[in-house]
Amino acid sequence: DIQMTQSPSSLSASVGDRVTITCQASQDISNFLNWYQQKPGRAPKLLISDASNLETGVPSRFSGSGSGTDFTFTISSLQPEDLATYYCQQYDNVPFTFGPGTKVDIK
Amino acid sequence: EVQLVESGGGLVQPGGSLRLSCAASGLTFNSYEMNWVRQAPGKGLEWVSYISRSGGTIYYADSVKGRFTISRDNAKNSLYLQMNSLRAEDTAVYYCAGDVDTGSFDFWGQGTLVTVSS
Repeated sequence: DIQMTQSPSSLSASVGDRVTITCQASQDISNFLNWYQQKPGRAPKLLISDASNLETGVPSRFSGSGSGTDFTFTISSLQPEDLATYYCQQYDNVPFTFGPGTKVDIK
Repeated sequence: EVQLVESGGGLVQPGGSLRLSCAASGLTFNSYEMNWVRQAPGKGLEWVSYISRSGGTIYYADSVKGRFTISRDNAKNSLYLQMNSLRAEDTAVYYCAGDVDTGSFDFWGQGTLVTVSS
């Protein structure tokens, strides 16, 4: 199975800050990597597919990059509504696996 | 608007069975592959099972293989998860999720809670 790791596990930042989350796969997954946002009490929402493709309707302050084993997710200017847990997920191989999540708090 | 609505969750004793359903609307259901993803209380996301558009290809996580069965009825725009021999560690919110690319969970239902406890 492909193991996904994320760092940090949590962070606290101010409105307007730039926030970066990293995700690492235990083997090469090319660009078969998604990023999801899960707000408290809600279902996850796909933000970025194929490592860097912003889903329709998702604000442009969200972005993703990387390929192979190392990936980055960035919020360029943190907003209050970005309070959530963010997960990376690989879909190169079955079983499809998620990272443990990064909880983002607003200072 | 695409909508997925799960139902069938509840409290069940260890060793018991439960059948979850996911009703789809606002989309051509048979154009999408479907999945079940679960989330234990306070924990992260775990993929459970996948079914192809026709139902001809099915995958399971090792944690549920041999106990859970995924199926779909394209005529009824519905996805199902039959869960047998339930264990305490199966306690979770179960989400159905549709994908365009295999394993990419593009849209999600609101989830249904399954609690396995005596």
